[in-house]
Amino acid sequence: GENVEQHPSTLSVQEGDSAVIKCTYSDSASNYFPWYKQELGKRPQLIIDIRSNVGEKKDQRIAVTLNKTAKHFSLHITETQPEDSAVYFCAAGSGGGADGLTFGKGTHLIIQP
Amino acid sequence: EAGVVQSPRYKIIEKKQPVAFWCNPISGHNTLYWYLQNLGQGPELLIRYENEEAVDDSQLPKDRFSAERLKGVDSTLKIQPAELGDSAVYLCASSASGTSLSFGPGTRLTVL
Repeated sequence: GENVEQHPSTLSVQEGDSAVIKCTYSDSASNYFPWYKQELGKRPQLIIDIRSNVGEKKDQRIAVTLNKTAKHFSLHITETQPEDSAVYFCAAGSGGGADGLTFGKGTHLIIQP
Repeated sequence: EAGVVQSPRYKIIEKKQPVAFWCNPISGHNTLYWYLQNLGQGPELLIRYENEEAVDDSQLPKDRFSAERLKGVDSTLKIQPAELGDSAVYLCASSASGTSLSFGPGTRLTVL
């Protein structure tokens, strides 16, 4: 089955700086890669996703890049703000959507004022 | 639209007791999932339903866990008997065809 590795487990950046979280996956059949943000005590919420026919996708301060050859994808957050502090999870799946998603272990992003 | 609803939000029980969690998915979402989230970990799939049919229950510990989605809408996840290691957050999620997961707020289970 799919195996998703996520790094780093904790990331501390100064407010205003950029943050990058990286994930690798093992199954070359995976074609859908969502990112979820989970604030303390709250539900995971989808923030951005990318499908395998696209190399990059951007939504305001958030972007995701995908390298299918190397089987890795990354989340980029620019101009970080205090409200970006949360745990971020990557996931990979071959169902084209929500089915069969395997999640990484999460990255705790801390924005230092 | 209303999100995925779960109850209870918190549950504390003693080991060997039974416990049940309830989930109401987003209206129109035919697919319903139960995930387990241990502290500091990502969600792990327990069971997936397409309407009322369980299409993936390979990760569900069937000796003590059971689930049902009788009318293809609400779902119940049950543990009987609960063990100490079952302490975790149980997340329900739903999706429509081709979309990603919408999670509920979860039920935090503590087994003493």
